Amino acid sequence: DQQVKQNSPSLSVQEGRISILNCDYTNSMFDYFLWYKKYPAEGPTFLISISSIKDKNEDGRFTVFLNKSAKHLSLHIVPSQPGDSAVYFCAASGENFNKFYFGSGTKLNVKP
Amino acid sequence: NAGVMQNPRHLVRRRGQEARLRCSPMKGHSHVYWYRQLPEEGLKFMVYLQKENIIDESGMPKERFSAEFPKEGPSILRIQQVVRGDSAAYFCASSPRRDGSNEKLFFGSGTQLSVL
Repeated sequence: DQQVKQNSPSLSVQEGRISILNCDYTNSMFDYFLWYKKYPAEGPTFLISISSIKDKNEDGRFTVFLNKSAKHLSLHIVPSQPGDSAVYFCAASGENFNKFYFGSGTKLNVKP
Repeated sequence: NAGVMQNPRHLVRRRGQEARLRCSPMKGHSHVYWYRQLPEEGLKFMVYLQKENIIDESGMPKERFSAEFPKEGPSILRIQQVVRGDSAAYFCASSPRRDGSNEKLFFGSGTQLSVL
């Protein structure tokens, strides 16, 4: 059962433009959401998180938006840089869960 | 300031052999998670452990797979009688003690298991 879904396997954007990565979830009990970035042959690294009591969290070039009614979150990267090229995973969890559920990832390619 | 340490980075086994993957969590972290990533797929939860306890093993295959996190030493993910389908990247993650607040996972670099 895929409780966290990333429907776009890949995304290509031009350097300097905005990258928008999307994520949907099915379980309304999730109350904590995270984005991870992964380079080849490395482990995922934490990027940004958001609690369900908020609808937006910003950290530098990265902003995560949460729409609880739609069970949807998105990661905005602006301006995009070539070094942002990686696979991005969204993840969800909550106080009632012992694990973090991950999406299948979106491969972002930022073209110079 | 060591992060999560996994070894080996690469492990090659023939069908039927055993694979042992090790994970040392970040200092001060008492919670360990194991995830598996098959080629072209996302991260699949396998098991969540605290020191000397398995908390959630709902993602572990019923046979051949086991995990432990002893009082002393690293967490071990053990795969007996490996098959080609076990070939994957295995990631360990750790987090500090849970107190009801949300927290993030810190991942190691993974072990790439290849079964010939």
